[in-house]
Amino acid sequence: AQSVTQPDIHITVSEGASLELRCNYSYGATPYLFWYVQSPGQGLQLLLKYFSGDTLVQGIKGFEAEFKRSQSSFNLRKPSVHWSDAAEYFCAVAFNNNDMRFGAGTRLTVKP
Amino acid sequence: GAVVSQHPSWVICKSGTSVKIECRSLDFQATTMFWYRQFPKQSLMLMATSNEGSKATYEQGVEKDKFLINHASLTLSTLTVTSAHPEDSSFYICSVLAGGGRNTQYFGPGTRLTVL
Repeated sequence: AQSVTQPDIHITVSEGASLELRCNYSYGATPYLFWYVQSPGQGLQLLLKYFSGDTLVQGIKGFEAEFKRSQSSFNLRKPSVHWSDAAEYFCAVAFNNNDMRFGAGTRLTVKP
Repeated sequence: GAVVSQHPSWVICKSGTSVKIECRSLDFQATTMFWYRQFPKQSLMLMATSNEGSKATYEQGVEKDKFLINHASLTLSTLTVTSAHPEDSSFYICSVLAGGGRNTQYFGPGTRLTVL
Protein backbone atom coordinates (compact mmCIF):
# COMPACT_ATOMS: atom_id res chain seq x y z
CA ALA A 1 0.00 0.00 0.00
CA GLN A 2 1.12 3.55 -0.69
CA SER A 3 2.18 5.29 2.48
CA VAL A 4 4.42 7.93 3.96
CA THR A 5 6.02 7.59 7.37
CA GLN A 6 7.51 10.18 9.67
CA PRO A 7 9.05 8.11 12.45
CA ASP A 8 9.58 10.97 14.88
CA ILE A 9 6.47 12.42 16.48
CA HIS A 10 8.34 15.08 18.43
CA ILE A 11 11.87 16.40 18.24
CA THR A 12 13.55 18.93 20.49
CA VAL A 13 16.72 20.72 19.43
CA SER A 14 18.65 23.63 20.83
CA GLU A 15 18.70 26.87 18.95
CA GLY A 16 21.68 26.91 16.63
CA ALA A 17 21.92 23.14 16.46
CA SER A 18 21.44 21.15 13.29
CA LEU A 19 18.18 19.43 12.45
CA GLU A 20 17.16 16.39 10.49
CA LEU A 21 13.55 15.26 10.13
CA ARG A 22 12.99 11.84 8.66
CA CYS A 23 10.52 10.80 6.00
CA ASN A 24 10.12 7.44 4.30
CA TYR A 25 7.63 6.44 1.66
CA SER A 26 6.35 3.20 0.29
CA TYR A 27 5.46 3.07 -3.36
CA GLY A 28 6.45 1.16 -6.47
CA ALA A 29 7.78 4.21 -8.28
CA THR A 30 9.25 7.52 -7.23
CA PRO A 31 6.46 9.89 -6.29
CA TYR A 32 6.54 13.63 -6.08
CA LEU A 33 7.91 14.54 -2.65
CA PHE A 34 7.15 17.58 -0.52
CA TRP A 35 7.86 19.09 2.85
CA TYR A 36 5.37 21.50 4.40
CA VAL A 37 5.48 23.45 7.66
CA GLN A 38 2.48 24.37 9.78
CA SER A 39 2.48 26.88 12.59
CA PRO A 40 -0.26 26.54 15.24
CA GLY A 41 -3.68 27.42 13.88
CA GLN A 42 -2.31 28.08 10.41
CA GLY A 43 -2.37 26.44 7.03
CA LEU A 44 0.55 24.65 5.46
CA GLN A 45 3.47 26.43 3.83
CA LEU A 46 5.51 24.67 1.18
CA LEU A 47 9.18 24.41 2.15
CA LEU A 48 10.47 22.46 -0.82
CA LYS A 49 9.65 19.75 -3.30
CA TYR A 50 11.31 17.10 -5.41
CA PHE A 51 10.10 15.90 -8.77
CA SER A 52 13.25 14.75 -10.54
CA GLY A 53 16.84 15.73 -11.19
CA ASP A 54 19.28 16.77 -8.50
CA THR A 55 18.52 14.73 -5.41
CA LEU A 56 19.52 17.53 -3.05
CA VAL A 57 16.78 20.13 -3.03
CA GLN A 58 17.05 23.60 -1.57
CA GLY A 59 14.00 25.23 -0.07
CA ILE A 60 12.94 28.34 1.75
CA LYS A 61 14.07 29.41 5.22
CA GLY A 62 17.41 27.63 4.85
CA PHE A 63 15.95 24.14 4.63
CA GLU A 64 17.13 21.41 2.29
CA ALA A 65 16.12 17.83 1.67
CA GLU A 66 17.82 14.89 0.08
CA PHE A 67 16.05 12.20 -1.90
CA LYS A 68 17.61 8.76 -1.53
CA ARG A 69 15.98 6.27 -3.85
CA SER A 70 17.72 3.26 -2.30
CA GLN A 71 16.28 4.13 1.09
CA SER A 72 12.92 5.50 -0.14
CA SER A 73 13.64 8.52 2.00
CA PHE A 74 13.33 12.28 1.72
CA ASN A 75 14.81 13.71 4.91
CA LEU A 76 14.62 17.41 5.73
CA ARG A 77 17.67 19.18 7.12
CA LYS A 78 18.71 22.56 8.40
CA PRO A 79 22.25 23.31 9.57
CA SER A 80 21.28 25.81 12.26
CA VAL A 81 17.81 25.97 13.76
CA HIS A 82 16.20 29.26 14.79
CA TRP A 83 13.55 29.64 17.47
CA SER A 84 11.07 30.64 14.76
CA ASP A 85 11.42 27.19 13.19
CA ALA A 86 9.35 25.66 15.98
CA ALA A 87 6.29 24.22 14.23
CA GLU A 88 4.78 21.04 12.85
CA TYR A 89 6.46 19.59 9.79
CA PHE A 90 4.69 17.35 7.33
CA CYS A 91 6.22 15.21 4.65
CA ALA A 92 3.90 14.53 1.75
CA VAL A 93 4.02 12.37 -1.33
CA ALA A 94 1.89 12.67 -4.42
CA PHE A 95 1.41 9.74 -6.71
CA ASN A 96 -0.58 11.77 -9.17
CA ASN A 97 -2.19 15.16 -9.17
CA ASN A 98 -5.18 14.06 -7.17
CA ASP A 99 -3.63 11.83 -4.56
CA MET A 100 -1.40 13.48 -1.97
CA ARG A 101 -0.65 11.56 1.18
CA PHE A 102 0.67 13.19 4.33
CA GLY A 103 2.84 11.77 7.04
CA ALA A 104 1.67 12.02 10.61
CA GLY A 105 3.84 15.06 11.17
CA THR A 106 6.81 15.86 13.38
CA ARG A 107 6.50 18.54 15.99
CA LEU A 108 9.69 20.55 16.41
CA THR A 109 10.47 22.27 19.68
CA VAL A 110 13.43 24.65 19.81
CA LYS A 111 15.16 25.17 23.15
CA PRO A 112 16.76 28.56 23.81
CA GLY B 1 3.39 29.85 -5.31
CA ALA B 2 -0.34 30.40 -5.39
CA VAL B 3 -2.02 32.55 -2.76
CA VAL B 4 -5.06 30.95 -1.18
CA SER B 5 -7.52 32.49 1.26
CA GLN B 6 -10.25 30.99 3.38
CA HIS B 7 -13.23 32.62 4.98
CA PRO B 8 -14.11 32.60 7.75
CA SER B 9 -10.95 31.84 9.68
CA TRP B 10 -13.02 30.57 12.56
CA VAL B 11 -16.69 29.93 13.19
CA ILE B 12 -18.78 28.77 16.10
CA CYS B 13 -22.25 27.45 15.42
CA LYS B 14 -25.05 25.60 17.13
CA SER B 15 -25.68 21.94 16.51
CA GLY B 16 -28.06 21.40 13.60
CA THR B 17 -27.11 24.51 11.67
CA SER B 18 -25.21 24.68 8.39
CA VAL B 19 -21.90 26.42 7.88
CA LYS B 20 -20.33 27.51 4.61
CA ILE B 21 -16.56 27.85 4.22
CA GLU B 22 -15.09 29.64 1.23
CA CYS B 23 -11.77 28.91 -0.40
CA ARG B 24 -10.42 31.42 -2.88
CA SER B 25 -7.44 31.25 -5.18
CA LEU B 26 -6.33 34.88 -5.29
CA ASP B 27 -3.73 34.87 -8.03
CA PHE B 28 -4.24 31.64 -9.89
CA GLN B 29 -7.07 29.98 -11.77
CA ALA B 30 -7.59 26.69 -10.03
CA THR B 31 -9.29 23.95 -11.95
CA THR B 32 -8.77 21.61 -9.04
CA MET B 33 -9.04 22.33 -5.33
CA PHE B 34 -8.92 20.00 -2.37
CA TRP B 35 -10.60 20.00 0.99
CA TYR B 36 -8.93 18.51 4.05
CA ARG B 37 -9.83 18.22 7.69
CA GLN B 38 -7.38 18.09 10.52
CA PHE B 39 -8.09 17.02 14.08
CA PRO B 40 -5.91 18.36 16.89
CA LYS B 41 -2.38 17.04 16.81
CA GLN B 42 -3.13 14.91 13.77
CA SER B 43 -2.28 14.99 10.13
CA LEU B 44 -4.43 16.17 7.26
CA MET B 45 -7.07 13.87 5.90
CA LEU B 46 -8.31 14.44 2.37
CA MET B 47 -12.07 14.83 2.28
CA ALA B 48 -12.73 15.57 -1.36
CA THR B 49 -11.38 16.81 -4.64
CA SER B 50 -13.22 19.75 -6.11
CA ASN B 51 -13.16 20.23 -9.86
CA GLU B 52 -14.45 23.39 -11.47
CA GLY B 53 -17.73 22.86 -13.25
CA SER B 54 -18.21 19.28 -12.17
CA LYS B 55 -19.17 17.25 -9.14
CA ALA B 56 -16.66 16.80 -6.37
CA THR B 57 -15.00 13.45 -5.78
CA TYR B 58 -15.31 12.35 -2.18
CA GLU B 59 -12.95 10.10 -0.30
CA GLN B 60 -14.25 6.88 1.14
CA GLY B 61 -16.13 7.44 4.35
CA VAL B 62 -16.90 11.12 3.69
CA GLU B 63 -20.62 11.82 3.46
CA LYS B 64 -21.24 13.85 0.33
CA ASP B 65 -24.68 14.91 1.52
CA LYS B 66 -23.21 16.27 4.71
CA PHE B 67 -20.20 18.00 3.23
CA LEU B 68 -21.46 19.82 0.16
CA ILE B 69 -18.81 21.14 -2.18
CA ASN B 70 -19.37 23.65 -4.93
CA HIS B 71 -16.65 24.79 -7.31
CA ALA B 72 -18.53 27.20 -9.50
CA SER B 73 -15.61 29.26 -10.71
CA LEU B 74 -11.88 28.96 -11.23
CA THR B 75 -11.20 31.00 -8.13
CA LEU B 76 -13.79 29.83 -5.62
CA SER B 77 -14.73 26.57 -3.99
CA THR B 78 -17.11 26.30 -1.06
CA LEU B 79 -17.57 23.63 1.55
CA THR B 80 -20.90 23.57 3.36
CA VAL B 81 -21.18 21.48 6.48
CA THR B 82 -24.88 20.69 6.72
CA SER B 83 -26.65 19.98 9.98
CA ALA B 84 -23.40 20.31 11.85
CA HIS B 85 -22.82 18.29 15.01
CA PRO B 86 -20.09 18.54 17.64
CA GLU B 87 -18.16 15.71 16.02
CA ASP B 88 -17.80 17.90 12.93
CA SER B 89 -15.71 20.35 14.93
CA SER B 90 -12.34 20.41 13.25
CA PHE B 91 -9.85 22.46 11.30
CA TYR B 92 -10.78 22.56 7.64
CA ILE B 93 -8.08 23.40 5.12
CA CYS B 94 -8.37 23.85 1.40
CA SER B 95 -5.67 23.75 -1.22
CA VAL B 96 -5.33 24.56 -4.89
CA LEU B 97 -3.50 22.43 -7.37
CA ALA B 98 -0.94 24.35 -9.38
CA GLY B 99 -0.77 22.30 -12.51
CA GLY B 100 0.98 23.07 -15.73
CA GLY B 101 3.83 20.82 -14.69
CA ARG B 102 4.16 22.23 -11.22
CA ASN B 103 2.02 19.49 -9.63
CA THR B 104 2.04 21.28 -6.32
CA GLN B 105 -0.68 22.05 -3.82
CA TYR B 106 -0.81 25.41 -2.11
CA PHE B 107 -2.81 25.64 1.07
CA GLY B 108 -5.17 28.13 2.58
CA PRO B 109 -4.82 29.28 6.19
CA GLY B 110 -7.60 27.00 7.40
CA THR B 111 -10.96 27.44 9.10
CA ARG B 112 -11.56 26.41 12.67
CA LEU B 113 -15.12 25.10 13.09
CA THR B 114 -16.55 24.60 16.54
CA VAL B 115 -20.03 23.13 16.83
CA LEU B 116 -21.69 23.57 20.19
